[in-house]
Amino acid sequence: DAGVTQSPTHLIKTRGQHVTLRCSPISGHKSVSWYQQVLGQGPQFIFQYYEKEERGRGNFPDRFSARQFPNYSSELNVNALLLGDSALYLCASSLAGDHGYTFGSGTRLTVV
Amino acid sequence: ILNVEQSPQSLHVQEGDSTNFTCSFPSSNFYALHWYRWETAKSPEALFVMTLNGDEKKKGRISATLNTKEGYSYLYIKGSQPEDSATYLCAFPNSGGSNYKLTFGKGTLLTVNP
Repeated sequence: DAGVTQSPTHLIKTRGQHVTLRCSPISGHKSVSWYQQVLGQGPQFIFQYYEKEERGRGNFPDRFSARQFPNYSSELNVNALLLGDSALYLCASSLAGDHGYTFGSGTRLTVV
Repeated sequence: ILNVEQSPQSLHVQEGDSTNFTCSFPSSNFYALHWYRWETAKSPEALFVMTLNGDEKKKGRISATLNTKEGYSYLYIKGSQPEDSATYLCAFPNSGGSNYKLTFGKGTLLTVNP
């Protein structure tokens, strides 16, 4: 069974551009969460979606948006990229409750 | 704002040494405490989800304890091996009782020298 898959693995964008990151959860997992991790910090919560509804949003500007599709895959969109958006973006899926989260390997975004 | 603190920030041990590190979290409105292992170039891997005060969980040579009254958890590794080298993260779900948002500590970077 495939784990959480994210694409692309690496991406270089220019300031002001837009980016879309993609995530496919583990089969049967209906919840997808997005985290941003910068060097020296723990992952920071961006969004969680469950059954295609936004369930929570972290302290990120409106330039960040996401959605979940009927097959439970998800996209994270970031508009008007800033240099500070350079980070590793992690996607995690879960069943629910106390099972912990399964993370993907992340997308490394570099904004130049 | 939830504060999840981990110490030490980094740790170097020799193969065969046993080691432990700490995660501190708010003791009020406790719901659960997660531990993850994150090896370089891989994805974070769930180790434990701990929910009960006094809980002790074990997975091979790795174990963890939980004290919800004083707000800390210890992770122990017995007889460290080079393959244990990784960043160990703890995470605390938001205080609303929902499991949906994890606040992570900065992690403890463990290096095990052969």
